[in-house]
Amino acid sequence: AQSVTQLDSQVPVFEEAPVELRCNYSSSVSVYLFWYVQYPNQGLQLLLKYLSGSTLVKGINGFEAEFNKSQTSFHLRKPSVHISDTAEYFCAVSDSYNQGGKLIFGQGTELSVKP
Amino acid sequence: DTAVSQTPKYLVTQMGNDKSIKCEQNLGHDTMYWYKQDSKKFLKIMFSYNNKELIINETVPNRFSPKSPDKAHLNLHINSLELGDSAVYFCASSQGGKLFFGSGTQLSVL
Repeated sequence: AQSVTQLDSQVPVFEEAPVELRCNYSSSVSVYLFWYVQYPNQGLQLLLKYLSGSTLVKGINGFEAEFNKSQTSFHLRKPSVHISDTAEYFCAVSDSYNQGGKLIFGQGTELSVKP
Repeated sequence: DTAVSQTPKYLVTQMGNDKSIKCEQNLGHDTMYWYKQDSKKFLKIMFSYNNKELIINETVPNRFSPKSPDKAHLNLHINSLELGDSAVYFCASSQGGKLFFGSGTQLSVL
């Protein structure tokens, strides 16, 4: 069975500081990994995804994530955050990127950027 | 021009009532989903349809019944609402491993 653990429920950080949101997964099959962002009172939007190939994945809004198979991690990073990055971030894993694949979400990490 | 739209945005109702949430996507995707987000923001898949056919049905009470009249629509009907059904329900569609979410329906059962 697949599962996702986000190691921090809340991450407070000052504006322009770097940030890392941690995600570990477990899976017995090939994995496809995703990070989604949820702004207040909105649905989720895809930040980035790892399907195959380069382990460093770049996404929107300056975010990037690194797939580390040996450590079963997919941590999200941004070198300099803005106030507008304040949101809930979800890591997710799927066993298929074809139609009908089931996405398993982590518990979410609340990123709070302070001026 | 909204890609995945769901209605209503807010739904407040009494215990025991029956209610429906509608979802439509104009992206031409074959696969649609319903997710439930609880008060701790935990997201869990409920159902998935591919081309009007049910392919994922998680351990959801029988009171919840999805209906897909065509591949652009996936509605969720809930019978005999209970307090524990209070949550935000998200519809989504997918293409190439990417999920597109609606803005959610906040259901409050009193």
